[in-house]
Amino acid sequence: DAGITQSPRHKVTETGTPVTLRCHQTENHRYMYWYRQDPGHGLRLIHYSYGVKDTDKGEVSDGYSVSRSKTEDFLLTLESATSSQTSVYFCAISDGDTMAKNIQYFGAGTRLSVL
Amino acid sequence: GNSVTQMEGPVTLSEEAFLTINCTYTATGYPSLFWYVQYPGEGLQLLLKATKADDKGSNKGFEATYRKETTSFHLEKGSVQVSDSAVYFCALSRTQGGSEKLVFGKGTKLTVNP
Repeated sequence: DAGITQSPRHKVTETGTPVTLRCHQTENHRYMYWYRQDPGHGLRLIHYSYGVKDTDKGEVSDGYSVSRSKTEDFLLTLESATSSQTSVYFCAISDGDTMAKNIQYFGAGTRLSVL
Repeated sequence: GNSVTQMEGPVTLSEEAFLTINCTYTATGYPSLFWYVQYPGEGLQLLLKATKADDKGSNKGFEATYRKETTSFHLEKGSVQVSDSAVYFCALSRTQGGSEKLVFGKGTKLTVNP
């Protein structure tokens, strides 16, 4: 298994509170991604990183921010959690620039409930 | 834009039945195509991939052929097992900001009964 650890695995929080999810990798891969998975939507990209301090938005980035201060850690922050952000969040990593040659490895996910 | 459409589930089969999960795509250029599988309570893992037209990806008895003329990448397995019960996602690669990303279909849940 790819060395990807997501924490926490489960979290319940209240509307309006900030929440930070952590993704930690031991593979030294350059690329890291945050997705959310919702019924009827599949996986949607929130943000991604292509190196330390290099990040960019995905298709559903509103209400989320990310940071990557070290190769191994990619943090996702919900600045003020809302019920619409209740979801399962997945981190993924890949080691190359060309998806045709590389694959994404996924963590086990974080189940977040915003009440 | 780039998108993936896969057959809606859920799909319920008996053990040893033949499986087809349809996937079609819309894309500019020539994307790579993927099938990912998600077992209950786990993250996604790559099942197979194809990088150019007419390529056939295969793994664990599953196959899919990259058909450019029909923009399709249908997943097939000749004889499913209970252990194949999972959610299957079709995906394509696309370029954004100089890096390639994955665009996923909505997933198809497969249940195989003994």
